[in-house]
Amino acid sequence: GAVVSQHPSWVICKSGTSVKIECRSLDFQATTMFWYRQFPKQSLMLMATSNEGSKATYEQGVEKDKFLINHASLTLSTLTVTSAHPEDSSFYICSAPGQGVTEAFFGQGTRLTVV
Amino acid sequence: QKEVEQNSGPLSVPEGAIASLNCTYSDRVSQSFFWYRQYSGKSPELIMSIYSNGDKEDGRFTAQLNKASQYVSLLIRDSQPSDSATYLCAVRDNDMRFGAGTRLTVKP
Repeated sequence: GAVVSQHPSWVICKSGTSVKIECRSLDFQATTMFWYRQFPKQSLMLMATSNEGSKATYEQGVEKDKFLINHASLTLSTLTVTSAHPEDSSFYICSAPGQGVTEAFFGQGTRLTVV
Repeated sequence: QKEVEQNSGPLSVPEGAIASLNCTYSDRVSQSFFWYRQYSGKSPELIMSIYSNGDKEDGRFTAQLNKASQYVSLLIRDSQPSDSATYLCAVRDNDMRFGAGTRLTVKP
């Protein structure tokens, strides 16, 4: 299947700083990228959907000014957590959908810890 | 709001038994249905996909879809301890949404 590379796999940052997470599609063009957040022992919660060359669509309750999504090319989507706080500590995962309504391909995930 | 509901578990079965996982979804126009397995701290990995009503078998796994009832299930036959994980039901149309997951433990 297609490969989505997510970086970094883990990051520790100080409260108030910003963190950027990158997802690259290595062998295909990803016009869309789904961004999820997962707290311990909970499911994947869709945060936003990014589309190449246009604004991301955010789910209800997700602060767009705090979670900045950029999808400037067909192979790269980024999520920046701005002014991070301890409550933002979570597992963030990106996923690029396949053609049509087929499966989605996941990045490896990023464990963010804000101290 | 589109909803995907799973029996929350946890589900515990003895080795060799059949594990049955269930999922319902709210959006009638959903076209694609998936079961993912997720180990703690890892990304989900695809187990099964199903697009039309009926059963789909792949080795020890069988997915069942009933669009009229908005129901999809996963059966794991001859369960092994290595099957112990959280199983996520996912539904796709314009986006992909997940259920809360069912934690399965297969006891030796």
